[in-house]
Amino acid sequence: AQSVTQLGSHVSVSEGALVLLRCNYSSSVPPYLFWYVQYPNQGLQLLLKYTSAATLVKGINGFEAEFKKSETSFHLTKPSAHMSDAAEYFCAVSPSGSARQLTFGSGTQLTVLP
Amino acid sequence: GAGVSQSPSNKVTEKGKDVELRCDPISGHTALYWYRQSLGQGLEFLIYFQGNSAPDKSGLPSDRFSAERTGGSVSTLTIQRTQQEDSAVYLCASSLAGPETQYFGPGTRLLVL
Repeated sequence: AQSVTQLGSHVSVSEGALVLLRCNYSSSVPPYLFWYVQYPNQGLQLLLKYTSAATLVKGINGFEAEFKKSETSFHLTKPSAHMSDAAEYFCAVSPSGSARQLTFGSGTQLTVLP
Repeated sequence: GAGVSQSPSNKVTEKGKDVELRCDPISGHTALYWYRQSLGQGLEFLIYFQGNSAPDKSGLPSDRFSAERTGGSVSTLTIQRTQQEDSAVYLCASSLAGPETQYFGPGTRLLVL
C-alpha cells in the first residue's frame, strides 16, 4: 500500500522567492514519485518524476525535487518564483516496475504575490 | 502530436439519469486510467486498462460506475442513476506500457442537480 502527504494545502510566496512544496510518502515497495501541476480549468501536467535513477530530479519550468529515502520525502523546489507558477501542485506515488495507478496527495495551492 | 482528449468538457444532468463520459487516449498508449477529482475526496483512482488484460476496477466507488475500452483505444466511463455526490471532474490519462508517465486529459466536469 502507498500514500502521500502534502504538508500545507496553501502556500504563498513573493515573486522571486524560493518555492518549497513538501511531500512525504509511504510505500511498501520502492516507489516511483511524481509531481504534477494543475492550472485553473486544465488537466494535470507532469513537472518531474523519480524512477530510481538520480535522486535529484530536474523538471520543467525550473522546478526540481530530491528523493530522500531516509526521510521518505520528495519535496519540490524552485529557486525563484514567477507569477506564472501560481497553480495547484500534486505529489503522487506509484509502485515501481509497473504502470499502475497513481496515488495522489491532497494538493498544495501555490499563490505568488507581486 | 495530439494529447488525451475528453468529451464532453462539461455535463449537467439530473439526479437519477445515466451519463457517459468519453476518453480518447494518445495514439499508441496501451494503458488508460480514469480518476475522479472532487472537493471532498481529492484525486482518486477509479479504473485502469492495460492492453487486453482484464481491467483493474478496484477504485470504482459503487456498481453504478462502469467503464469499457473498445479496440484498445477509446474508453467510456458510464455512471448509472447519478447521485449528487457524483459531481466531480473526471480525468482520463494514458501511458505507454511499463512505468511510464501518465498524460492527462482536460477532464469532464460533471454536475448532478
